[in-house]
Amino acid sequence: EAQVTQNPRYLITVTGKKLTVTCSQNMNHEYMSWYRQDPGLGLRQIYYSMNVEVTDKGDVPEGYKVSRKEKRNFPLILESPSPNQTSLYFCASSSGLGTGELFFGEGSRLTVL
Amino acid sequence: AQSVSQHNHHVILSEAASLELGCNYSYGGTVNLFWYVQYPGQHLQLLLKYFSGDPLVKGIKGFEAEFIKSKFSFNLRKPSVQWSDTAEYFCAVNPTNNAGNMLTFGGGTRLMVKP
Repeated sequence: EAQVTQNPRYLITVTGKKLTVTCSQNMNHEYMSWYRQDPGLGLRQIYYSMNVEVTDKGDVPEGYKVSRKEKRNFPLILESPSPNQTSLYFCASSSGLGTGELFFGEGSRLTVL
Repeated sequence: AQSVSQHNHHVILSEAASLELGCNYSYGGTVNLFWYVQYPGQHLQLLLKYFSGDPLVKGIKGFEAEFIKSKFSFNLRKPSVQWSDTAEYFCAVNPTNNAGNMLTFGGGTRLMVKP
């Protein structure tokens, strides 16, 4: 089954404690992206990757890092989480043909105390 | 930079009522347009999309949307909603010359359908 898998689905952490949210897709998609969803703001892009070893900032990259060492994986790293990073995070992938049709993961709800 | 506006943040309807959710975007070039739906506790799923051709597009579950280029709009419609349509709906735009930020999303419209 074609899917985008994120882990963990739920996480409560404290300020400053580094964490990683993993994302894996099994569709051989070149394009992957991270979004955060906040009430009334819709989804805002954090980082994206056009292919292996190619990453770039989205609209709200501050406080986040990503890496793309393999085609299927695109982890989101919060080196020093802060309460304003409390949000619902979605990973998405696309075949990268420029159509904009994204396949989303189930979401990861992060709370930073 | 392009932006997407969804005028209604919350909509409450009774079953069998007709639905229209507004979406306007600001971008002067050619775009691809999408509506995504997020059912409670679930991830976003594609509802319908417009790339080119007939401006009236039909999606899953009886939804349709009309692209009106002169109004920069892509409104979502359904003639008769069901309780199971309760969800949050997001309009999204992809400028065809920008593969990086592939989608710009609107703020979402939360629809509640009363049985």
